[in-house]
Amino acid sequence: GESVGLHLPTLSVQEGDNSIINCAYSNSASDYFIWYKQESGKGPQFIIDIRSNMDKRQGQRVTVLLNKTVKHLSLQIAATQPGDSAVYFCAENMGGSGNTGKLIFGQGTTLQVKP
Amino acid sequence: DARVTQTPRHKVTEMGQEVTMRCQPILGHNTVFWYRQTMMQGLELLAYFRNRAPLDDSGMPKDRFSAEMPDATLATLKIQPSEPRDSAVYFCASGPVGNSPLHFGNGTRLTVT
Repeated sequence: GESVGLHLPTLSVQEGDNSIINCAYSNSASDYFIWYKQESGKGPQFIIDIRSNMDKRQGQRVTVLLNKTVKHLSLQIAATQPGDSAVYFCAENMGGSGNTGKLIFGQGTTLQVKP
Repeated sequence: DARVTQTPRHKVTEMGQEVTMRCQPILGHNTVFWYRQTMMQGLELLAYFRNRAPLDDSGMPKDRFSAEMPDATLATLKIQPSEPRDSAVYFCASGPVGNSPLHFGNGTRLTVT
């Protein structure tokens, strides 16, 4: 039967294209943000993080953009590969004051990469 | 690679039984978090510890759930008595103090019938 639960937004992209996953966060006092990737049967895996004193950070094939004015975070994946298919979560540190406090997760976005 | 280890990976039990889930955080990490993941609610924070002391367990049903850190290498999450609505994947994560990413284990998938 039909499963009932969160309807995760899904982003479907062609292999080799760039992907952009968006996230709105809730607390204007949050000072640290993380993107995680979760594959089936595994725990969330760290991808990249950014502190609130930055608006952009780049890693290998990934870039995180932070817009504090509108409380928006995005993850850009360059040259998306089939191995990038997973659920992506943004998380905000609501503890503030530079301490590891509550990491609160967004609902997640499913990325599907078509070969 | 250092990793967070959770046991058991899967647990099936009957309603009313006690369930204990264990977590070995990464050596040197002094914050430990318990999360629960369900289709309905996503990833929910249940409790977290710093230097083995509980800092916040407001996300945890107090009447049946308890979380402890008997020592720096072991965190436990107990449910007594378990109920079908507790069926979920329970994740443990650890990290150093300060703005650093948490490292997650692969979870315990709990099914309560």
